Amino acid sequence: AQKITQTQPGMFVQEKEAVTLDCTYDTSDPSYGLFWYKQPSSGEMIFLIYQGSYDQQNATEGRYSLNFQKARKSANLVISASQLGDSAMYFCAMRVGYSGAGSYQLTFGKGTKLSVIP
Amino acid sequence: DTAVSQTPKYLVTQMGNDKSIKCEQNLGHDTMYWYKQDSKKFLKIMFSYNNKELIINETVPNRFSPKSPDKAHLNLHINSLELGDSAVYFCASSLPSGRKDTQYFGPGTRLTVL
Repeated sequence: AQKITQTQPGMFVQEKEAVTLDCTYDTSDPSYGLFWYKQPSSGEMIFLIYQGSYDQQNATEGRYSLNFQKARKSANLVISASQLGDSAMYFCAMRVGYSGAGSYQLTFGKGTKLSVIP
Repeated sequence: DTAVSQTPKYLVTQMGNDKSIKCEQNLGHDTMYWYKQDSKKFLKIMFSYNNKELIINETVPNRFSPKSPDKAHLNLHINSLELGDSAVYFCASSLPSGRKDTQYFGPGTRLTVL
């Protein structure tokens, strides 16, 4: 069975500093995808970044980067130069295989609440 | 130019009622999903449809029935609502399998059952 673990229920970071949100995963399938989503207090789920299990390089999207350590089964999100608008819940999620016709399940972690301090 | 939209955003109703949540996507995606987020913020998949065909059907009470009139729409109908159905329901969509077949989520519908 697939599992995503986010061990930090809450994190604080000073504005303009970098922060790392931890995510570890468990799967025996060699092919999988890892996603990070942001959920601000307004409630929507915003896609941030994706890493495929066969990707050689760590994914980056603007101020977001994914520190992918395959042997450790970790996929930590790094946010550089934190901004007040980064305060939100952050969810790590994993896709393993497909259920058919392109459908797949995302297995989510419990989330980390990030608070950016001015 | 909303990508995935849901209506209504808020839904307050009494136990025992029947209600529907509508979802539409204009991304040209073939696959659509329903997720439930509970009070502890935990997200779990309920259903997925590909081009109007049910693909994923997780362990969900049969009071919940998804309906897809076309590949751009996926509605969720809930019969005989119970207190435990109170949650935020998210619709999502994705392209068929590929390297970056990311699921894009709608804004969510907060359902409160009194």
